[in-house]
Amino acid sequence: DVKVTQSSRYLVKRTGEKVFLECVQDMDHENMFWYRQDPGLGLRLIYFSYDVKMKEKGDIPEGYSVSREKKERFSLILESASTNQTSMYLCASSTSGQPQHFGDGTRLSIL
Amino acid sequence: DQQVKQNSPSLSVQEGRISILNCDYTNSMFDYFLWYKKYPAEGPTFLISISSIKDKNEDGRFTVFLNKSAKHLSLHIVPSQPGDSAVYFCAASEAQGGSEKLVFGKGTKLTVNP
Repeated sequence: DVKVTQSSRYLVKRTGEKVFLECVQDMDHENMFWYRQDPGLGLRLIYFSYDVKMKEKGDIPEGYSVSREKKERFSLILESASTNQTSMYLCASSTSGQPQHFGDGTRLSIL
Repeated sequence: DQQVKQNSPSLSVQEGRISILNCDYTNSMFDYFLWYKKYPAEGPTFLISISSIKDKNEDGRFTVFLNKSAKHLSLHIVPSQPGDSAVYFCAASEAQGGSEKLVFGKGTKLTVNP
């Protein structure tokens, strides 16, 4: 069974801090994704990666960056956290022709 | 510009009856559609999908219908059970299988009453 693990379930940070959200998958998937979920807005794609060292912007990349140094790990970075980045962050992974599998999310609060 | 629309934020049905969740899309390049189910404090889980070359896909109590000319799909749950109470997200992809970039709707919260 596919396991997508997000390092923290809950995280509280202060404005201006640099924040790292980590995601690891154990199925050797080539594709990995970061979404945020907000009430009334559904899931919105922040960044994705189809291979190691590769990254592409999603629909709302502003204020974020990502890192994929190893195939199993995809990190989301908030360069300088702001209160409007308070959200539920969801990581997903997939392999060609198969649906994406999601982690349980990180609820991030920026104070 | 919302490419995938779920116009009903919530739906309430009685146990044993049919639940019908609707989804509309605007991008004619979408080639594959998926439904995900999400419980509170958990990540979305894949439920069922359909390719644009089909008009129906069935898996147990769950059936997805696609009307490509109307750019409309629906998820039918029969019979509905209290455990089906969750938020359901419709998603669309330009690639087959749903492994690549997805566009999600805003979700419909389904409540199944005992």
